[in-house]
Amino acid sequence: KAGVTQTPRYLIKTRGQQVTLSCSPISGHRSVSWYQQTPGQGLQFLFEYFSETQRNKGNFPGRFSGRQFSNSRSEMNVSTLELGDSALYLCASSWRTGGSSGANVLTFGAGSRLTVL
Amino acid sequence: QKEVEQDPGPLSVPEGAIVSLNCTYSNSAFQYFMWYRQYSRKGPELLMYTYSSGNKEDGRFTAQVDKSSKYISLFIRDSQPSDSATYLCALDQTGANNLFFGTGTRLTVIP
Repeated sequence: KAGVTQTPRYLIKTRGQQVTLSCSPISGHRSVSWYQQTPGQGLQFLFEYFSETQRNKGNFPGRFSGRQFSNSRSEMNVSTLELGDSALYLCASSWRTGGSSGANVLTFGAGSRLTVL
Repeated sequence: QKEVEQDPGPLSVPEGAIVSLNCTYSNSAFQYFMWYRQYSRKGPELLMYTYSSGNKEDGRFTAQVDKSSKYISLFIRDSQPSDSATYLCALDQTGANNLFFGTGTRLTVIP
């Protein structure tokens, strides 16, 4: 199976701009999660989508939004970029081992590294 | 207080050493305990996971969970330069749709 694909890999934006990141999960996986990774905070959960529905959202401002399409591909958007939004944005597709009470196994993409100047 | 605390290191050891990586957590609801490895310019990849207290071994890697102390560890035996990476603990709470990650420990194994 192909892994999780994220595009673009690197991008540079200026303050006030907006950005859209894309993620294609592993074929057959319906759950897609997004995380922000920074040196000081580590991985912080942004949101999770399952079958086009946002099931869970982390503690980020409304400038961060996402969506999932019927083919399970997902996008996240950050509007009015701030310097502090510079980070590695990771997408993961997931599945639970052994049914709904099993472990939530995430497979990550390589990430999109955003630099805000 | 963060849900998961992990010593960020960095940790530098000679080849062949035993490495101990640790995390503490505060929420008793966590049931699955995972370790991810992240190489530079890559996304994290799952190394192993355990359920409940006890040890789990996979080759040179051993994961240990002590739920009474809310303390988890990853031991790497006979460490190799290829083990140089950032190691992240991640905790899973049944019913939650996200994992709670430690900040990661950067490990360098010196040949």
